[in-house]
Amino acid sequence: DAKTTQPTSMDCAEGRAANLPCNHSTISGNEYVYWYRQIHSQGPQYIIHGLKNNETNEMASLIITEDRKSSTLILPHATLRDTAVYYCIVRPGLSYTGANSKLTFGKGITLSVRP
Amino acid sequence: NAGVTQTPKFQVLKTGQSMTLQCAQDMNHNSMYWYRQDPGMGLRLIYYSASEGTTDKGEVPNGYNVSRLNKREFSLRLESAAPSQTSVYFCASSEVLGNEQYFGPGTRLTVT
Repeated sequence: DAKTTQPTSMDCAEGRAANLPCNHSTISGNEYVYWYRQIHSQGPQYIIHGLKNNETNEMASLIITEDRKSSTLILPHATLRDTAVYYCIVRPGLSYTGANSKLTFGKGITLSVRP
Repeated sequence: NAGVTQTPKFQVLKTGQSMTLQCAQDMNHNSMYWYRQDPGMGLRLIYYSASEGTTDKGEVPNGYNVSRLNKREFSLRLESAAPSQTSVYFCASSEVLGNEQYFGPGTRLTVT
């Protein structure tokens, strides 16, 4: 799977948008960008994924650059409950099978939402 | 709709004891996974089951066995626990291999 690079940490004010960047310059054509988060002591939580078009769901928006070398996860109105470690992962999509179905979580970015 | 459930939440074992971690999902997913998470190590895949009736090794299978009891349930067994197996264990499921995975709350296991 392609490697991703994320800042170590960032913070934002409650109610403001949180924009979390991810660099994946070696992404290949069949690889999707996935975002997960892990709130302290809880299981990882799927947020969103995309291939090349921007995506939005009830939790977040995902903006992927035209060259697909980077992306940004946007939490439009961050709350204190959004404080977590956010992981950007690049991996093959639905056609993928085999022993490498694991999710590889790097160190992620720690988002702190302040009151 | 509970999603993915795991039991127990916490467990302390002595070296050499055995135990089974239980996992169940109610999302009608075909694929299920067992991971362990250690501080500074990220998630590591122990075993996975692409579909009912199949299981395969992940990256750290030694010391563990699994059973895909039916479509809903996927258990992880430690036959002879060792201190190196002290970790947080997460079960996950996905509709098929390669789809987004949904995780349970974890089992915190300590082996003394």
